[in-house]
Amino acid sequence: DIVMTQSPDSLAVSLGERATINCKSSQSVLYSSNNKTYLAWYQQKPGQPPKLLIYWASTRESGVPDRFSGSGSGTDFTLTISSLQAEDVAVYYCQQYYGTPLTFGGGTKVEIK
Amino acid sequence: EVQLVESGGGLVQPGGSLRLSCTASEFTFSSYEMHWVRQAPGKGLEWVSYITSGSTIYYADSVKGRFTISRDNAQKSLYLQMNSLRVEDTAVYYCARGGHDSGRLTVFWGQGTLVTVSS
Repeated sequence: DIVMTQSPDSLAVSLGERATINCKSSQSVLYSSNNKTYLAWYQQKPGQPPKLLIYWASTRESGVPDRFSGSGSGTDFTLTISSLQAEDVAVYYCQQYYGTPLTFGGGTKVEIK
Repeated sequence: EVQLVESGGGLVQPGGSLRLSCTASEFTFSSYEMHWVRQAPGKGLEWVSYITSGSTIYYADSVKGRFTISRDNAQKSLYLQMNSLRVEDTAVYYCARGGHDSGRLTVFWGQGTLVTVSS
C-alpha cells in the first residue's frame, strides 16, 4: 500500500498570509506511461463532505479560487494557499489515486491565527 | 449539477448487516466509476471500495469478505452491502463519483450517511 504522510497536523495562519501543507508518498505516484502524477488535494469543512481542489498534483478543479495551488513531483507534494481567507478554515487531505487501495493523508487542520 | 444522495445508515449491533444506497442524478451514471469512502467520527478519510463502469470491483483489506459493492445502472444507484459489522466500521459513509480522465479520482461526493455499530 502507498502510505501518504502529511505535515503539519495543524497550522494557524493570519488572514492574508500564506499557508503551506506538505504531503509525502511512500512511493512515486508518477505513472511513466502517460507522465501523469496521481495526486489530489481535498478540502473538508465541518459537517460537509470533502471537496476536490487539485488533481494531477497541480490542476485546479473548476471553480476553485486561484489562491489554491498544488506543486511537487514523484513523492513530495505541496498545497499552498497564497492568501488565507476566513472561508479557507478547514481540514485538507492529500490522496493518491495511482493504485488501489486508494489512500489519504491524515489531514491538516488550517485555522486563523 | 451532479447529485449523489446516500441512504440506509443507522444503528446496528456488532455482527449485524446493513445495506447502503446511493442514488445519482444529473450525469450518465453507467459511464462512471463509483466509490465508497468512510470517515470515522473525528477521524480522517478511508477509501472502502470502488466499482468500475464495467463492474470490476476493488476493496480495502479492512472490509474484504464482509462488504459487497454493486451497481444498478438502470436505477442509477450504487450499493454497499455490509455484513459482519464491527464497532470499528462506525463512520459516515460517502459515495463518490470518479473522474473523466481517471475513474480512481473521487470528484463529486454525496453528503454521507452515518453507520453506527454498537450494542
